[in-house]
Amino acid sequence: DQQVKQNSPSLSVQEGRISILNCDYTNSMFDYFLWYKKYPAEGPTFLISISSIKDKNEDGRFTVFLNKSAKHLSLHIVPSQPGDSAVYFCAAYDASKIIFGSGTRLSIRP
Amino acid sequence: ETGVTQSPTHLIKTRGQQVTLRCSSQSGHNTVSWYQQALGQGPQFIFQYYREEENGRGNFPPRFSGLQFPNYSSELNVNALELDDSALYLCASSQDGANYGYTFGSGTRLTVV
Repeated sequence: DQQVKQNSPSLSVQEGRISILNCDYTNSMFDYFLWYKKYPAEGPTFLISISSIKDKNEDGRFTVFLNKSAKHLSLHIVPSQPGDSAVYFCAAYDASKIIFGSGTRLSIRP
Repeated sequence: ETGVTQSPTHLIKTRGQQVTLRCSSQSGHNTVSWYQQALGQGPQFIFQYYREEENGRGNFPPRFSGLQFPNYSSELNVNALELDDSALYLCASSQDGANYGYTFGSGTRLTVV
């Protein structure tokens, strides 16, 4: 049973617009969430995180929102740039391991 | 030395064979984890080692085993390979106290035929 779910396998956004990637989780005990970005032939790289005691964390063009009551988080990228084209993984930190979603492939079109 | 390096980058094995994948972590990174990423899925946690001792394991059978060495290198061994073991295997390491600050390697693509 997937504890972290990304229901959109792909997303296409025009350059300069906002990209919104969504994620749902099932375990209310998760207390730390992360977003990773992955380019082909590279390992995932850490992008941004949020603690469960917060509802928003911002880092430059990237903002993560957490809605604990809905068990939902989202990643906003504004403005979207061509280099943002990659696979984005939502993840939760649970004791000694990271639980990943299945990923969303983001494509930024000119 | 910076970064996490994995070898080999690609590997083809026959069903039933054994394979050893290698990872070299950053100096000072005492925690190393291994993940399996099947096609179209997110990485799945296999196990974690801390100072050469296994301290966490995911839902993988015992034919998946590992070792961690004092020089910050580690191995993932898989016995009796099955077709479903075909995947990208990722190694990740972190410093003490930075439990979620993992640095991932580029992975080893294993194909079992």
